Amino acid sequence: QQNVQQSPESLIVPEGARTSLNCTFSDSASQYFWWYRQHSGKAPKALMSIFSNGEKEEGRFTIHLNKASLHFSLHIRDSQPSDSALYLCAVRGLSGSFNKLTFGAGTRLAVCP
Amino acid sequence: GALVYQYPRRTICKSGTSMRMECQAVGFQATSVAWYRQSPQKTFELIALSTVNSAIKYEQNFTQEKFPISHPNLSFSSMTVLNAYLEDRGLYLCGARDVGAGAETLYFGSGTRLTVL
Repeated sequence: QQNVQQSPESLIVPEGARTSLNCTFSDSASQYFWWYRQHSGKAPKALMSIFSNGEKEEGRFTIHLNKASLHFSLHIRDSQPSDSALYLCAVRGLSGSFNKLTFGAGTRLAVCP
Repeated sequence: GALVYQYPRRTICKSGTSMRMECQAVGFQATSVAWYRQSPQKTFELIALSTVNSAIKYEQNFTQEKFPISHPNLSFSSMTVLNAYLEDRGLYLCGARDVGAGAETLYFGSGTRLTVL
């Protein structure tokens, strides 16, 4: 049974700061890793994904994955008030016929202008 | 683009009654649909995975008897919460997979928020 944990639970940062969100997982055979973002009252929306060890950058956002340490993270450069949302990490294990995504409970980020 | 609509957006029901929620995929073929519950305790739990023409797979702590799901075609799925009680409160989210988009991305609706009195 995959166990996905996120830290911190909540975070307040000033505009322009660099923000780091963490996610750990328990299944060492996990294959795919996502970050979703959910603005208040809106649907969770896929932000970025990574499938192999290392880093991936898209604009102000960078994902870092370390499968050996069962950890991946999301880094936001030059945080903006519009980045304020609930950030959910999701992991897919090496399952059989079911494409099962297991989510963490989320990190609530507030970026203050 | 790929959109997922859920309705109703929110519902209030009396303890012990049942309510049905629906999920509509627009602009893509949803070969599989995952139902999740985001609870007041801040967990994000998978209830079940439904794939057209395959058996619905329920997660531990969730049963077909309590959360029957229908997935009759590639654009529609519905789930009922039977005999709802306080512990069933939460935001029920439908995530549909667009296999055409690759990378197995799930597109979510905005959810149905269930309040139980």
